[in-house]
Amino acid sequence: AQTIHQWPVAEIKAVGSPLSLGCTIKGKSSPNLYWYWQATGGTLQQLFYSITVGQVESVVQLNLSASRPKDDQFILSTEKLLLSHSGFYLCAWRLGGGSQNTLYFGAGTRLSVL
Amino acid sequence: GQQVKQSSPSLTVQEGGILILNCDYENDMFDYFAWYKKYPDNSPTLLISVRSNVDKREDGRFTVFLNKSGKHFSLHITASQPEDTAVYLCAAGQGGSAKLIFGEGTKLTVSS
Repeated sequence: AQTIHQWPVAEIKAVGSPLSLGCTIKGKSSPNLYWYWQATGGTLQQLFYSITVGQVESVVQLNLSASRPKDDQFILSTEKLLLSHSGFYLCAWRLGGGSQNTLYFGAGTRLSVL
Repeated sequence: GQQVKQSSPSLTVQEGGILILNCDYENDMFDYFAWYKKYPDNSPTLLISVRSNVDKREDGRFTVFLNKSGKHFSLHITASQPEDTAVYLCAAGQGGSAKLIFGEGTKLTVSS
């Protein structure tokens, strides 16, 4: 069975500090991986996606970056947090191959930037 | 602009009633349409989806209707139950593309 794990569950960080959020998917090889973000009261927005190791496409510019160092790992990071980065970050995966299959979301990371 | 738009931020219905959630999209290249359900403090999970080659898909109490010419799709829920209380997110995307665009969500409350 496939499992998706996000860490940390929650973070409280200061403006200007660095951030690293992680996501691992077990039980599925070569999945498409996604980072989504939802500001409080806002829409769920796709930030990045990756269809293979080492390749990441940016969808929305938010002064964040993403990397896929391994097939089962997706990292979201920034060197300098802004207040506007607060919100709920969700990692998701779906089968590759070009067809639109179900997105499976992780439990999410709630980030508060103070 | 918002590529996928849900017209109602919230909706309340009596238990047992029928309700319709609506979603409009802008990109006429979209050919995949889905409804996700999200409980508070939980992640969204897929409820039902449809490809553009059909205009209706039914799964138990849930039916998706697709109107491609109107760039609109809807979710009909019959015999609503208190456990249907959740946020419903519509999503649309293009086959072969990794993008899936979500609407703002509609908060549904089913009162008993």
